[in-house]
Amino acid sequence: DIQMTQSPSSVSASVGDRVTITCRASQIINWLAWYQQKPGKAPKLLIYATSSLQSGVPSRFSGSGSGTDFTLTISSLQPEDFATYYCQQSNSFLISFGGGTKVEIK
Amino acid sequence: EVQLVESGGGLVESGGSLRLSCAASGFTFSDAWMSWVRQAPGKGLEWVGRVKSRSGGGTIDYAAPVKGRFTISRDDSKNTLYLQMNSLKTEDTAVYYCTADSPQPCCYTLDYWGQGSLVTVSS
Repeated sequence: DIQMTQSPSSVSASVGDRVTITCRASQIINWLAWYQQKPGKAPKLLIYATSSLQSGVPSRFSGSGSGTDFTLTISSLQPEDFATYYCQQSNSFLISFGGGTKVEIK
Repeated sequence: EVQLVESGGGLVESGGSLRLSCAASGFTFSDAWMSWVRQAPGKGLEWVGRVKSRSGGGTIDYAAPVKGRFTISRDDSKNTLYLQMNSLKTEDTAVYYCTADSPQPCCYTLDYWGQGSLVTVSS
């Protein structure tokens, strides 16, 4: 099974800050997806195929990476972006998530 | 509009059984690959398993922690997904989400999520 490790587990940031979250896979993978989850709500797909924005997602979100190392970047943090973010991969259709990164208000 | 509505959660004793349902609307359910994902209180997301569409082969895959105890099924005539959970353990306590997936060759994603159903397993 492929293990996904996210870092940091939490980050404190201010509105307007640039935030970068990293996801590392235990073996080479072809792509990655990112989800945003707010308290008490279901996760929401943000990015698929490593760098493609889901419809309706603001352009301040971007994804990049290849091989085992991937990143989610929020270019200018907005109040509605304070949430927990998860990466996700699928190998042979078996799915695994990273442990999550909580983006908190500084 | 895609809607996924889970039901059937509740409190059950360790060793007991429970069946969750997920009623789907707003898309062609029979063509959809569907998953269950759970989230223990204060913890991260854990994929439970998935059933492919009949045209996709209809096969079902499970995560290791639930294999042999949980069974995923679907009734395309009722647009409903099920999760039968047997031999429940306290560590199965979680909010259970059903998802409608996008099994593209490039990238498998969980595009739509229900609101979740809380399952609590007591000792």
